Amino acid sequence: AQSVAQPEDQVNVAEGNPLTVKCTYSVSGNPYLFWYVQYPNRGLQFLLKYITGDNLVKGSYGFEAEFNKSQTSFHLKKPSALVSDSALYFCAVRAANQAGTALIFGKGTTLSVSS
Amino acid sequence: GAGVSQSPSNKVTEKGKDVELRCDPISGHTALYWYRQSLGQGLEFLIYFQGNSAPDKSGLPSDRFSAERTGGSVSTLTIQRTQQEDSAVYLCASSLRTAHEQFFGPGTRLTVL
Repeated sequence: AQSVAQPEDQVNVAEGNPLTVKCTYSVSGNPYLFWYVQYPNRGLQFLLKYITGDNLVKGSYGFEAEFNKSQTSFHLKKPSALVSDSALYFCAVRAANQAGTALIFGKGTTLSVSS
Repeated sequence: GAGVSQSPSNKVTEKGKDVELRCDPISGHTALYWYRQSLGQGLEFLIYFQGNSAPDKSGLPSDRFSAERTGGSVSTLTIQRTQQEDSAVYLCASSLRTAHEQFFGPGTRLTVL
């Protein structure tokens, strides 16, 4: 069965410091991996995806994520956090041989950036 | 262009009543998904439509839940005889058949009293 784990319910960082939001996954075969962000009272916004190719994926708002097949991880990173990055972040996965099917989401990690 | 829209944005109902939630996907998107977001539970897949194919209903939690997609566009999620545990935010998403990322609407917050 496919699954996604986000081991931290909350991550706290100071503005200007680097941030990491962790994600590990379990899927049969090759994974398609995604990060979404949700601001209060808003829907989910797509940040970035890994489908194939370079393991380091760059996305919106200066975020990037690194696919690590051996560790089955897809951690979200940003070199310098902004207060406006404070939001709820979701990691999601789908098996590559199941294109078009629903995504499996983690439970989300709340990122809090302090000034 | 217009994104995914959902209505109503908020719905308060009494236990036992039926509710209908509406989703308008992005024009041209053939795939449409319904998810449920409960506090502390993340996003839970409910149902998936792809073109004219039979929908994937594997995520529907009970037979009180059903969904339709008319004309390959607008979708309605119906919950019959609502229960308090149905209280959640119901999110709709759409995507192109050949694309990977899904685009989400703002959601409908359902409260069952």
